[in-house]
Amino acid sequence: GAVVSQHPSWVICKSGTSVKIECRSLDFQATTMFWYRQFPKQSLMLMATSNEGSKATYEQGVEKDKFLINHASLTLSTLTVTSAHPEDSSFYICSGLDSPYGYTFGSGTRLTVV
Amino acid sequence: GQQLNQSPQSMFIQEGEDVSMNCTSSSIFNTWLWYKQDPGEGPVLLIALYKAGELTSNGRLTAQFGITRKDSFLNISASIPSDVGIYFCAGQLAGDDKIIFGKGTRLHILP
Repeated sequence: GAVVSQHPSWVICKSGTSVKIECRSLDFQATTMFWYRQFPKQSLMLMATSNEGSKATYEQGVEKDKFLINHASLTLSTLTVTSAHPEDSSFYICSGLDSPYGYTFGSGTRLTVV
Repeated sequence: GQQLNQSPQSMFIQEGEDVSMNCTSSSIFNTWLWYKQDPGEGPVLLIALYKAGELTSNGRLTAQFGITRKDSFLNISASIPSDVGIYFCAGQLAGDDKIIFGKGTRLHILP
């Protein structure tokens, strides 16, 4: 089956610094990658959708300058949280889309901003 | 925005009992998906449904795509301890690649 490798699995950073999260599709080409954020005991909320080679589409209320998404190849998408603050602490999950596998989720990144 | 109403929010059951949860929406979906999420992990797909009325099983799990295309249910039969976790429904709207998630059903199994 399809696998999406997400790194790092957890990261602690100082307030004001930037953090990059990577998602790689290991055995399929993810033409579209979705990025979600999940706060404790809540559901996954879609942040943005990125297609390889084009700009990401952000959901309403998500700051595009704060959450930079790059999808430069069919197997790699990155999310950079810029100038992170404690309220950005959350669980970030990517999901790659490719037929016939459908949606495959990464294992998530726990971000803690101190 | 679009919303999926998932219920119940949580369930406390005895091992061996059957479980049922469902999702409803005011919107029509092309695809319904059911996921399980363990703590600190990404969601894992349990069952995917693509046609109205479709009934699909995966071991002890059974899910159905509602005839109106606005709802779906998931049943778990003869629950076991490893069924503990959070179950999410997710739907894909017509003409849209993205999927939206329900709020989840937290399943607890009493010893």
